[in-house]
Amino acid sequence: DTGVSQNPRHKITKRGQNVTFRCDPISEHNRLYWYRQTLGQGPEFLTYFQNEAQLEKSRLLSDRFSAERPKGSFSTLEIQRTEQGDSAMYLCASSKGLKETQYFGPGTRLLVL
Amino acid sequence: GEDVEQSLFLSVREGDSSVINCTYTDSSSTYLYWYKQEPGAGLQLLTYIFSNMDMKQDQRLTVLLNKKDKHLSLRIADTQTGDSAIYFCAERGNAGNMLTFGGGTRLMVKP
Repeated sequence: DTGVSQNPRHKITKRGQNVTFRCDPISEHNRLYWYRQTLGQGPEFLTYFQNEAQLEKSRLLSDRFSAERPKGSFSTLEIQRTEQGDSAMYLCASSKGLKETQYFGPGTRLLVL
Repeated sequence: GEDVEQSLFLSVREGDSSVINCTYTDSSSTYLYWYKQEPGAGLQLLTYIFSNMDMKQDQRLTVLLNKKDKHLSLRIADTQTGDSAIYFCAERGNAGNMLTFGGGTRLMVKP
């Protein structure tokens, strides 16, 4: 069990560019979650998957954000036409089932210039 | 919507006990969690408590839950400099999917 991994760990981009982050959950965890954490705040829920199905999306997830989990294993989060307000830490978590504890990855820190 | 509140900052001396407090509003909370975050890192799960419990002890950590007042606390005994970090309280409602986090309490441990 190697834990949740995320890549890249850091990303600097210019406003208007697209970025994509990857999350690899703990193996055999069928639920995968994305959260966003801005400086000095707690994480805020964005979306989650059960296997390959995206079951819930926060209203924080604007149309510029899209997440996928095509084979029910790793997930990608894409932000199109990035804005400075998208600068944050993007955290991924996974759990074994509905009521199970969520384990977090190290996060991807995004800076939009 | 649901809200979770924490005090911003706590400073203690090495060897003392630390108590970090949290209040929440969701009366349907089923599980409450404490996570630790060190600078630039993700969240490390410390402990959790089910809503029908009022206390849980795990080595140096003691969690107290007052469900009537919707108050949760984390006590760290014999606090060490390595405990310096931000501590987040989080609750999961009955829907069972997302976690709602507090803003975090920065714990500073002075030698």
